[in-house]
Formats: sequence, C-alpha cells, structure tokens
Amino acid sequence: GAGVSQTPSNKVTEKGKYVELRCDPISGHTALYWYRQSLGQGPEFLIYFQGTGAADDSGLPNDRFFAVRPEGSVSTLKIQRTERGDSAVYLCASSEGTPGADTQYFGPGTRLTVL
Amino acid sequence: AQSVSQHNHHVILSEAASLELGCNYSYGGTVNLFWYVQYPGQHLQLLLKYFSGDPLVKGIKGFEAEFIKSKFSFNLRKPSVQWSDTAEYFCAVNPFGNAGKSTFGDGTTLTVKP
Repeated sequence: GAGVSQTPSNKVTEKGKYVELRCDPISGHTALYWYRQSLGQGPEFLIYFQGTGAADDSGLPNDRFFAVRPEGSVSTLKIQRTERGDSAVYLCASSEGTPGADTQYFGPGTRLTVL
Repeated sequence: AQSVSQHNHHVILSEAASLELGCNYSYGGTVNLFWYVQYPGQHLQLLLKYFSGDPLVKGIKGFEAEFIKSKFSFNLRKPSVQWSDTAEYFCAVNPFGNAGKSTFGDGTTLTVKP
C-alpha cells in the first residue's frame, strides 16, 4: 500500500517568511510524528499526535513552530518567521497504534532551505 | 533527558567482513530500543527493535543486536556484510512510558567495498 508521503519535497524560502509542510500518513495509522534532521545529525523529535490531539509537543523548539492534525489523518507543520537555523530536513512518520511500541514508518522528508 | 551515542561516525569494510556498530544510551529506567537504516536515496526504515525478553534480537537482512542493560548498550552486528549494506544506521531509544518521544543517535555511515 501507499507509504507516508510529504509535500513539498523541497522548499526554499526567505528569512522571515511563513511555511507549511504537509504529511499524509499511512491510512489507518493513528499516531503521527514530526522530526527535524540537520546535516550530520540524527532525527530530532518535535511533536507527536495520537489521533487529532498533540500528545507530546515538548520537542518544538519555540513558539514559531506549530503543528495540527485536525481530522486525525493529514498533519501540517507550520513555521512562522523562518530563520536560517530552521534549514533542515523535516521528517514525518506514522504508526498503527501504540506510540513508541509500534513500528514507525517514515516519509521521504521535506528539505527546507531558509535563505 | 535521555541521550544516545553512536561512537563510530563512518565505518568502511570489505565485503564478508563482520560488522559491529556501537550504541550507548543514557537513561536510568526501562527503555525500548531501535535500530533504523537509511539506504542511499531511500526513507528511514526499521531494522530491528527490542522491548523486552530475549536481549538478543534479530532483524531483517541478517542483522542482530544485543541489549546489555548493565552497559546501557544496544550494539548492532552482522557476521558478514554485503555491498548492499552500504547505508546510514541510526540507533534510537524510547523510554518506556514516554510513548512516542524517541531520541536518535547521530548515525553511523557504513561503506562496504565490493
């Protein structure tokens, strides 16, 4: 079946602009995760959802970052007033049921470049 | 906060050589442990995981890992690597009771020479 998809695959923006990154999880997966991966580092946890609610958003670096999952499926990561330090690959993953226990399936990522 | 250390940043082996990639974590409680692999041009995917029971776990493609609680380690092994194992490998830890919040190491790039 279809895997996790993320759009756009690449996003180039200017400092100070607003961006939205979209994640389509595997159909039926109730848990959804966002990570950020900088060059030469492992994925860094940002937030995860169980259904529509953000179960743990402790990884969001500051209040410029926000994520939603209004219908318990598609999720959007929103970044306001982008900064050059936000440049990274943003990864989304989904899992079937129990967060942390079920296998996470990762998408291809969105490469964000802030000029 | 938990952390994960992968001591080898880049490993180069010849085909048929044995592989061991180190992973140590810092967290005092019960953990779930994972190894992920990212082949060139592909997504991150799960290689194997440990939740409880036998500390020696087997994953896909002949990989295995051993959880040694006293050493806070979860090293990945393969007796004989192939060129197709060239990839980046990430160790991750998820404290039991902290649900979806996984902490990843910085990865080890494995290059297997044919």
